[in-house]
Amino acid sequence: KAGVTQTPRYLIKTRGQQVTLSCSPISGHRSVSWYQQTPGQGLQFLFEYFSETQRNKGNFPGRFSGRQFSNSRSEMNVSTLELGDSALYLCASSQPPGTGTRELFFGEGSRLTVL
Amino acid sequence: DAKTTQPNSMESNEEEPVHLPCNHSTISGTDYIHWYRQLPSQGPEYVIHGLTSNVNNRMASLAIAEDRKSSTLILHRATLRDAAVYYCILRALMKTSYDKVIFGPGTSLSVIP
Repeated sequence: KAGVTQTPRYLIKTRGQQVTLSCSPISGHRSVSWYQQTPGQGLQFLFEYFSETQRNKGNFPGRFSGRQFSNSRSEMNVSTLELGDSALYLCASSQPPGTGTRELFFGEGSRLTVL
Repeated sequence: DAKTTQPNSMESNEEEPVHLPCNHSTISGTDYIHWYRQLPSQGPEYVIHGLTSNVNNRMASLAIAEDRKSSTLILHRATLRDAAVYYCILRALMKTSYDKVIFGPGTSLSVIP
């Protein structure tokens, strides 16, 4: 079956702009989580969505937001971009709690560069 | 949200076994141990998971200490394609738990031809 698909793969923005990233989970997976990966901070949890509701959130400012649609696809948005937001943004899909052992299946990521 | 600690880097010769350790002293009874690896320029890839018993799959084996406070990922014969960063994380599996997944820096494995 198809894996996790993230779009776009690469993008360049300037400070102050906003960006929206998209994630399509593996068919049948209803939980989607997002991560930011930078050389300095490593992989950091942003948030997790299930059934169109945010279930958990990491320690990121309110400029980072997300949503999930009824077909489990998810988007994340970063507003008022800062240079420090340059990172690889990864999406992972899994089953929700109580329905398995919650292995994470990651996409290839969206590489954001902020100039 | 439980944390894990791993050595920053390890080296192995090709075709030799590799034992990658992970400490998780604050593990709770409902936490599963998951291992992932990230090859250069790719997203992390699921490797294996376990709860209490040792586990084997086509990629690796997972040995879990009796007190569950540590585990070891075993690659039986390292290949150049196994050079990656290996992450050990804990996943809470309570029915209503949405855990914040905490990744440490992982172990960067180098494989020497």
